[in-house]
Amino acid sequence: NTVMTQSPTSMFTSVGDRVTMSCKASQNVGINVGWYQQKTGQSPKRLIYWASNRDTGVPDRFTGSGSGTDFTLTISNMQAEDPAIYYCLQHNSYPLTFGSGTKLEIK
Amino acid sequence: EVQLVESGGGLVQPGRSMKLSCAASGFTFSNYGMAWVRQAPTKGLEWVATISYDGSSTYYRDSVKGRFTISRDNAKSTLYLQMNSLRSEDTATYYCTRRIMDYWGQGVMVTVSS
Repeated sequence: NTVMTQSPTSMFTSVGDRVTMSCKASQNVGINVGWYQQKTGQSPKRLIYWASNRDTGVPDRFTGSGSGTDFTLTISNMQAEDPAIYYCLQHNSYPLTFGSGTKLEIK
Repeated sequence: EVQLVESGGGLVQPGRSMKLSCAASGFTFSNYGMAWVRQAPTKGLEWVATISYDGSSTYYRDSVKGRFTISRDNAKSTLYLQMNSLRSEDTATYYCTRRIMDYWGQGVMVTVSS
């Protein structure tokens, strides 16, 4: 099974900060990676597909990058509405696997 | 507008069965593979099962294989998850999603407890 390791587990940021979080796959998953945002009490929302493609309506401050085993989600200008848990997902092979999440909070 | 609406959750005793449904609208259901993802209380996301657009192929995580069955009725635009021999560790919110996981339902809670 492909293990997706996210880091950091949590982080505190300030409005306007640049935020970077990582997701490392235990084996090559190509670009078969998505990033999801889950706010408290809500369903997950997909932000990025195929590692670097932004979903419709997602602000351009969210950027995904990477391929193979190393992936990154960057928020270029943290906003007050961005605190959430962010998950990566690999859909290269079954079983599909999510990372354990990065919890992003405002200082 | 794509909508996925789950139903059928609740409290069930260990060892018993429960069937979840997901009513889809706003897209051509029969063109899309579908999936179930769950989230235990205060835990992360966990993929459960996937079914192809026509129901001919199904995939399961190991911990539910042989106990859960994913199925669909394209005429009714509805996805199902039949859960048998339920265990306490199956307690979670279950989300219906398209296979590509672009749209998600609001989730339905399943609690397995005596």
